Amino acid sequence: DAKTTQPNSMESNEEEPVHLPCNHSTISGTDYIHWYRQLPSQGPEYVIHGLTSNVNNRMASLAIAEDRKSSTLILHRATLRDAAVYYCILKIQGAQKLVFGQGTRLTINP
Amino acid sequence: EPEVTQTPSHQVTQMGQEVILRCVPISNHLYFYWYRQILGQKVEFLVSFYNNEISEKSEIFDDQFSVERPDGSNFTLKIRSTKLEDSAMYFCASSPENRGDSPLHFGNGTRLTVT
Repeated sequence: DAKTTQPNSMESNEEEPVHLPCNHSTISGTDYIHWYRQLPSQGPEYVIHGLTSNVNNRMASLAIAEDRKSSTLILHRATLRDAAVYYCILKIQGAQKLVFGQGTRLTINP
Repeated sequence: EPEVTQTPSHQVTQMGQEVILRCVPISNHLYFYWYRQILGQKVEFLVSFYNNEISEKSEIFDDQFSVERPDGSNFTLKIRSTKLEDSAMYFCASSPENRGDSPLHFGNGTRLTVT
């Protein structure tokens, strides 16, 4: 399974932007970059995905490096409800499953 | 917005008993999954299911586990003879297609406690 590397934890302040990094140097050309998050006592929740171009949706933005070996999930204005574990996962073409790593535990300070 | 629903939210059982965890995937989805998360650990893949067959399973998914889609809406995970180490959160997920750009949608899980 293609591997991603994320910091174990990050901290930010409410109403400030948060940039969550992910390295995936072994990504192949057809792998999609997916981000999920898991709020306390809940199941994983889809956030965003992309292939080559930057992506925006109502939850977040995804910035993908030109060589695709890294990406950054951007929360534009963090709220306390954004405190969660964030997972960066490569969805391999032809494979159905997602393989979760340890993710980044994001703490938001009031 | 449609969602994956799981019942019960919490199940307590005695070691050696059989349990069935139930899931209702999103209605037009074709691919179904079970994951588990032992307290404080990673979310682990158990099994994927498509067209009434298991398409992939992990080493964790041994003979004590089985999955079934008994009708057009439910997707179940059966654990035949529960062990203490089966205590975990079990998450069901579904996706519409088998493509790299197709996200998985997860339920909020069933907490299984084996005593």
